[in-house]
Amino acid sequence: KQEVTQIPAALSVPEGENLVLNCSFTDSAIYNLQWFRQDPGKGLTSLLLIQSSQREQTSGRLNASLDKSSGRSTLYIAASQPGDSATYLCAVRPRDYKLSFGAGTTVTVRA
Amino acid sequence: DVKVTQSSRYLVKRTGEKVFLECVQDMDHENMFWYRQDPGLGLRLIYFSYDVKMKEKGDIPEGYSVSREKKERFSLILESASTNQTSMYLCASSFERSYNEQFFGPGTRLTVL
Repeated sequence: KQEVTQIPAALSVPEGENLVLNCSFTDSAIYNLQWFRQDPGKGLTSLLLIQSSQREQTSGRLNASLDKSSGRSTLYIAASQPGDSATYLCAVRPRDYKLSFGAGTTVTVRA
Repeated sequence: DVKVTQSSRYLVKRTGEKVFLECVQDMDHENMFWYRQDPGLGLRLIYFSYDVKMKEKGDIPEGYSVSREKKERFSLILESASTNQTSMYLCASSFERSYNEQFFGPGTRLTVL
């Protein structure tokens, strides 16, 4: 069974600092990995999708890398802002429809 | 933009009531999913559907059923609500292809008294 771990569980940084969020998974046989953002009491917003054949994906200040062989992905958020405060979830898709989610990293960016 | 909508943001029901949660997507997606999210347990898949009238159990289907009569609509049914079904319920949809991205609705916070 796929296990997805996100460390740390919580992170607090001053505004302007770069954020590094980690995701690890136990089974490297995945189709893709997706990063989501979730604000308190709200649904999930898709940030980036990395296909298994890709090494990284970028969108604005966000960059996600994927090392499938070692079972790791990292989400980088450059020059953090208070509006980046949220919980960030990673999810991996194995060979069926089902996503396996990590527990998330809750980020607080202090003004 | 993909839009996934859920019928209610907040819902309060009594134990034993039959509860319907509705989800609608406007992107002609083949796949639709129902999750619940609980503190400390993360997101868990209840049911998913890969076509009209087709469904498969997820990880925690007990106490739930689903209905998909039209491609754009996926309903979650709690036949007899219980207090342990108090949770945040999230619907998602995706295209039927290998590298499919899941898009989520805003969630329904259900409280069963």
